[in-house]
Amino acid sequence: DTAVSQTPKYLVTQMGNDKSIKCEQNLGHDTMYWYKQDSKKFLKIMFSYNNKELIINETVPNRFSPKSPDKAHLNLHINSLELGDSAVYFCASSPGLGMGNEQFFGPGTRLTVL
Amino acid sequence: AQSVSQHNHHVILSEAASLELGCNYSYGGTVNLFWYVQYPGQHLQLLLKYFSGDPLVKGIKGFEAEFIKSKFSFNLRKPSVQWSDTAEYFCAVMPGAGGGNKLTFGTGTQLKVEL
Repeated sequence: DTAVSQTPKYLVTQMGNDKSIKCEQNLGHDTMYWYKQDSKKFLKIMFSYNNKELIINETVPNRFSPKSPDKAHLNLHINSLELGDSAVYFCASSPGLGMGNEQFFGPGTRLTVL
Repeated sequence: AQSVSQHNHHVILSEAASLELGCNYSYGGTVNLFWYVQYPGQHLQLLLKYFSGDPLVKGIKGFEAEFIKSKFSFNLRKPSVQWSDTAEYFCAVMPGAGGGNKLTFGTGTQLKVEL
């Protein structure tokens, strides 16, 4: 069973569209994250949620809106997509907000904006 | 705010060669340190982590890393690499208290192991 899963795996869309990426974890973790990996493989945190509460928001444009309906899910909705949004988006989860907590990553969603 | 620098962006080695990838971080307080690996087309997997105790940490697949607090370093080592170690390697730092588990990654080192 996949611990952290994301759908879709690939997403190709036109500029200006609105799209969502879904993430689910079956590890019973309290904390979930979204990361963006750019074309140079640089990984940067976007958001984190703990028990459905927003903990980290790294000055991401407000076109990006995370939603956590429950502890096991953290979805990412993107409005008015721009070319610069093309990247691989990784979801991750960890047991909670504690020292040394390993983050488990999903397989990634490759978003291409045309 | 914390930051991480990885000095080697591309490393090419022959099988059985020894590996050392550099990682330095910048943060004034207690830190947790991680090395993640990303095999081609796959997600990130944890190789090893340090959060307290013995500064020499052993991870999976024969990797190890040494935390040297005075040098703010956490270099990754492997005595003898294999072709299957070809991947992207990321060093990451997390503040030890507070910070919401914010993991900051270095820019990555692409390792290619040739037969």
